[in-house]
Amino acid sequence: DIQMTQSPSSLSASVGDRVTITCRASQSISSYLNWYQQKPGKAPKLLIYAASSLQSGVPSRFSGSGSGTDFTLTISSLQPEDFATYYCQQSYSTPPIFGQGTKLEIK
Amino acid sequence: EVQLVESGGGLVKPGGSLRLSCAASGFTFSNAWMSWVRQAPGKGLEWVGRIKSKTDGGTTDYAAPVKGRFTISRDDSKNTLYLQMNSLKTEDTAVYYCTTIQVTMVRGVGGMDVWGQGTTVTVSS
Repeated sequence: DIQMTQSPSSLSASVGDRVTITCRASQSISSYLNWYQQKPGKAPKLLIYAASSLQSGVPSRFSGSGSGTDFTLTISSLQPEDFATYYCQQSYSTPPIFGQGTKLEIK
Repeated sequence: EVQLVESGGGLVKPGGSLRLSCAASGFTFSNAWMSWVRQAPGKGLEWVGRIKSKTDGGTTDYAAPVKGRFTISRDDSKNTLYLQMNSLKTEDTAVYYCTTIQVTMVRGVGGMDVWGQGTTVTVSS
């Protein structure tokens, strides 16, 4: 199975900050990488698919990049509603493993 | 409106069985690949399994911890996805989500783009 490792596990930031979360795959997954946002008590929401494609309705302050084994999710200017947990997930092969999550908290 | 609504969760004893349902609306369910994802209390997301559309073979895949105990099926006439869970263990306690899976000819398998609200399964004596 392909393992997905996110860093950091948690992150404190302020409104207006630029934030980057990293996801590393244990082997090459081309661009088959997706990012999700989850708020407490809610279902996850797809933000980015295919490493860099913005899901419909997602604000343009979210962006994704990378290919192969190393990927990043960037939030260009944090808004209050962005404080949540973020997960990466590979869809290159079965099982489609999720990263362990990155909790983004208010500083 | 595209919507998935799970039901069937509850409290069950170890070794027991439960069947979850996921009612789909607002899209052509028969064309969709569907999955189940779970989240144990305070933990991350764990993929449970997937079923392809009948057009693409209707085959299923499962995560190792549930293989042989859980079965995913679909009734396209009822726009409903099912998860039959047998021989339940305490570690199966989680919120269970059903999702659609993006699939295109060009990009192949993508993300899980529609999620239900989840249904809670508690396995405890």
